[in-house]
Amino acid sequence: GAVVSQHPSWVICKSGTSVKIECRSLDFQATTMFWYRQFPKQSLMLMATSNEGSKATYEQGVEKDKFLINHASLTLSTLTVTSAHPEDSSFYICSAMRSSYNEQFFGPGTRLTVL
Amino acid sequence: AQSVTQLDSQVPVFEEAPVELRCNYSSSVSVYLFWYVQYPNQGLQLLLKYLSGSTLVKGINGFEAEFNKSQTSFHLRKPSVHISDTAEYFCAVKKNAGGTSYGKLTFGQGTILTVHP
Repeated sequence: GAVVSQHPSWVICKSGTSVKIECRSLDFQATTMFWYRQFPKQSLMLMATSNEGSKATYEQGVEKDKFLINHASLTLSTLTVTSAHPEDSSFYICSAMRSSYNEQFFGPGTRLTVL
Repeated sequence: AQSVTQLDSQVPVFEEAPVELRCNYSSSVSVYLFWYVQYPNQGLQLLLKYLSGSTLVKGINGFEAEFNKSQTSFHLRKPSVHISDTAEYFCAVKKNAGGTSYGKLTFGQGTILTVHP
């Protein structure tokens, strides 16, 4: 149990376009989902925390207008990178947490390359 | 705020040798502690976690870790490694409390473990 999926697993796009990444909890309801980005050979940096039905809470330095997060249901959160630029190229990982559990379950990640 | 320091960025070892990956943390409040493993181009998989109770925690794949509160450490150990253990390992902490930061993990920089035949 506790499987989290991400789609797509990789995406290449042109500079200036927008890209949507989906994160789904397949066999449990996730009250909270987290979005991370990971640059090559670096650790995971939390971008934002999203709770179902409410606005996401962004970490300091993360542009909320550029990284749009929607947590429309207890099993789905989406991250949209708007007007992507090459510096947005990264590995984006989501995680989902069940209420009252002290563990996050991670998705397999999405590799974004902006040309 | 919490911070995590993984003292070794890379650890090369030979197969069947023991290994220890070091993790120290800093926090003004009590925390939960985690070790995750990441294989190339994949997400994170939980190896083990310390929430409370016994300070020696056993996880999957033969790994274990010991919580040392006085030294604020949570080192990961395995008595005999396999080639398949080659991966990147992350130590992480989470506040043992609720509030607006409930659930947020703070990660260390990661340690790349390379097991040589």
